[in-house]
Amino acid sequence: AQTVTQSQPEMSVQEAETVTLSCTYDTSESNYYLFWYKQPPSRQMILVIRQEAYKQQNATENRFSVNFQKAAKSFSLKISDSQLGDTAMYFCAFMKPLTGSQGNLIFGKGTKLSVKP
Amino acid sequence: SAVISQKPSRDICQRGTSLTIQCQVDSQVTMMFWYRQQPGQSLTLIATANQGSEATYESGFVIDKFPISRPNLTFSTLTVSNMSPEDSSIYLCSVDDRLGEQFFGPGTRLTVL
Repeated sequence: AQTVTQSQPEMSVQEAETVTLSCTYDTSESNYYLFWYKQPPSRQMILVIRQEAYKQQNATENRFSVNFQKAAKSFSLKISDSQLGDTAMYFCAFMKPLTGSQGNLIFGKGTKLSVKP
Repeated sequence: SAVISQKPSRDICQRGTSLTIQCQVDSQVTMMFWYRQQPGQSLTLIATANQGSEATYESGFVIDKFPISRPNLTFSTLTVSNMSPEDSSIYLCSVDDRLGEQFFGPGTRLTVL
């Protein structure tokens, strides 16, 4: 069974600084997807970034980028130029496709990020 | 990305009663998923709902407790039956856009007294 581990329950960062959230996972699969989701106090789950395991290039989305180390089964999220609106719970998630590119998500326990002014 | 709505957004229920949560998507999707998020916890998959077939439940979740319907490609319901305070959680539905991205509804916050 796949597992996802987020070892940092809470983190804080000063506004405009850079912060990195850690995530490791365990799987014997070769084809899978990895995600970072953000959940602000409104509780809406927002997709931040996605990485396909077969792609060596790290995904980026504006201020958000990942460091995907497949051999080490590591998938960290870097947030650059942190903004107050980045304050939220961040969940790392793993998906093994069930059909095509679709499948259910397995989540880590989350990291609570606070951006301080 | 798919737009997903859920009803109700929140509810307070008495123990022993049942609540049905609705999930509506603005496009046709094959797979829909129901998750539970207990207070201060991460998300746990309850079941996968495909149109035209029985839902597939994860370990620890049973159909008698969480019956699911999936009458068409844009709609699903999850019922929480014979509720107890331990069922107090946020219940979220999600869909896959077939491009390997999953999108979530806003969630239903359930409190059982």
